[in-house]
Amino acid sequence: DAKTTQPPSMDCAEGRAANLPCNHSTISGNEYVYWYRQIHSQGPQYIIHGLKNNETNEMASLIITEDRKSSTLILPHATLRDTAVYYCIVRDTSGGSYIPTFGRGTSLIVHP
Amino acid sequence: DAGVIQSPRHEVTEMGQEVTLRCKPISGHNSLFWYRQTMMRGLELLIYFNNNVPIDDSGMPEDRFSAKMPNASFSTLKIQPSEPRDSAVYFCASSLVQVPDTQYFGPGTRLTVL
Repeated sequence: DAKTTQPPSMDCAEGRAANLPCNHSTISGNEYVYWYRQIHSQGPQYIIHGLKNNETNEMASLIITEDRKSSTLILPHATLRDTAVYYCIVRDTSGGSYIPTFGRGTSLIVHP
Repeated sequence: DAGVIQSPRHEVTEMGQEVTLRCKPISGHNSLFWYRQTMMRGLELLIYFNNNVPIDDSGMPEDRFSAKMPNASFSTLKIQPSEPRDSAVYFCASSLVQVPDTQYFGPGTRLTVL
């Protein structure tokens, strides 16, 4: 699986958009981009995933560049409850066998 | 659905003792994952099962660790004998075997080995 690079930490004002970048320059054509987050003392929580097109759900939006070498997770109106570690993962699941690597993620702090 | 259930939530034991962690995946899910999380190493995949069969256990640190999945609704992770360096939070996750998949994590078991 391709590796990802994320900034170790970011901060955002409550009510503003939080834009979390992820670089995955070695991504291959059949690898999906996934985002999870982990709030303190809880298990990781799935947020969103995408392959080529931009995606949006009730939690966030995922913007994937045309060359697929990077992506951005957007929390449109960050709240204090969005303070968490955000993990960007790329995984090839076409073969049925895979080892997802969570890395260190980005620690997002949303401040009042 | 109650989500992924793990027990116990906290475990404190002494070095050399056997520890058994338990996981009940979401009903209908056919993939199950065991992870370990520490400050030093982050979140590591230990082993995962598809349809109750272990697929990849390359993340299991050593022979002291073993995992079983006797049926679709139950899995155990056993450490025997336990050592202080095994202290961590152990997460279980489940998903459907499909492309793409989404893993649902349990609340974790915080293990402290004295």
